[in-house]
Amino acid sequence: GQQVMQIPQYQHVQEGEDFTTYCNSSTTLSNIQWYKQRPGGHPVFLIQLVKSGEVKKQKRLTFQFGEAKKNSSLHITATQTTDVGTYFCAGRNSGTYKYIFGTGTRLKVLA
Amino acid sequence: DAGVIQSPRHEVTEMGQEVTLRCKPISGHNSLFWYRQTMMRGLELLIYFNNNVPIDDSGMPEDRFSAKMPNASFSTLKIQPSEPRDSAVYFCASTSSYSTLTYEQYFGPGTRLTVT
Repeated sequence: GQQVMQIPQYQHVQEGEDFTTYCNSSTTLSNIQWYKQRPGGHPVFLIQLVKSGEVKKQKRLTFQFGEAKKNSSLHITATQTTDVGTYFCAGRNSGTYKYIFGTGTRLKVLA
Repeated sequence: DAGVIQSPRHEVTEMGQEVTLRCKPISGHNSLFWYRQTMMRGLELLIYFNNNVPIDDSGMPEDRFSAKMPNASFSTLKIQPSEPRDSAVYFCASTSSYSTLTYEQYFGPGTRLTVT
């Protein structure tokens, strides 16, 4: 079945350093979403990417969708303690409303 | 809007007991998802409904799990009989497939289930 993997599994960074998480799907995706889950909380939608090669920015966050629509990345510039949490990608194949969530990357930011 | 509402927030039960988790999606949303989250397996989709009809239940672990959506504003996930390995956080999420193509999922706060 479809699998969505993320690397790294964990990342500890000093505040102010950059952070990147990578998402890889075993199948070509129709679109991909990114979610953030704070410790003890629930996933919260960040963004959706649809087009091949698409790049979107939200303040210090930059999201990319690969040309083959099988991979994606999230880059955070100059991390802050408020960035702490687990970041999930979620991929959808065409013809379904079903999203397969990635394994997640847990980010810790050391002040 | 109150968002997605789940109850109970915490449930502790003994092995063999029946457990029922409840979810009220956001008004106007027509798709509802049940997920299970554990450290070992991450966030797994158990089942999803579209317009109250179960579309894909391939993630339901076994016959002990069942889910219903009798109307657009209520869904249940039942485990009978429960086992310790069912201990997890269960999330309900809803979205609208009508308004936009985003299908952004809104998650409830989750139910933390502990089976002893």
